[in-house]
Amino acid sequence: QQQVKQSPQSLIVQKGGISIINCAYENTAFDYFPWYQQFPGKGPALLIAIRPDVSEKKEGRFTISFNKSAKQFSLHIMDSQPGDSATYFCAASIEDNFNKFYFGSGTKLNVKP
Amino acid sequence: NAGVTQTPKFQVLKTGQSMTLQCAQDMNHEYMSWYRQDPGMGLRLIHYSVGAGITDQGEVPNGYNVSRSTTEDFPLRLLSAAPSQTSVYFCASSPLGSGKETQYFGPGTRLLVL
Repeated sequence: QQQVKQSPQSLIVQKGGISIINCAYENTAFDYFPWYQQFPGKGPALLIAIRPDVSEKKEGRFTISFNKSAKQFSLHIMDSQPGDSATYFCAASIEDNFNKFYFGSGTKLNVKP
Repeated sequence: NAGVTQTPKFQVLKTGQSMTLQCAQDMNHEYMSWYRQDPGMGLRLIHYSVGAGITDQGEVPNGYNVSRSTTEDFPLRLLSAAPSQTSVYFCASSPLGSGKETQYFGPGTRLLVL
């Protein structure tokens, strides 16, 4: 049973548009929620992360929205660019539990020029 | 500073063969882990280690062994490869203290078991 559920599986967005990827979790003990970006042939790299004490975190064009009561969080990519085309993974962990991360299934984003 | 390195990049095995996937990091990170990545499944934790001599199982440990004799190295062993182990394998590391939130991933090993 997957601990973190991610949707959609794939996403096509026009250049300049907004890309939105959603994740949901069940374990209320999770207290750290990162997003990873992976380009073809490369390992995932940390993009942005949030803790449940805030509802939103923004870094440049990337924003995480977090809804603790609904146990959901999402990644918004504003002004999407072709260079953003990659696979995005959400994840969750319990910080005291030795960095064990549970990843979503991934979203393949294609930003068309 | 090479970060996390993995060898080989690609490997083809026959069912029943054994092999070791190598992982090394030069950041003096205490925590190291192995994931497998399969289409539609994301990354699933196989085994992890919080320091030399200490290892534990993740979500999908069956068919894999690990050991951690040094801080730098964390090899993953397949004792008798099966087609179900065809996957892309990623090694990751992070500190246990300050900065523990960020996992650094290697470039991956693509394994095909025939």
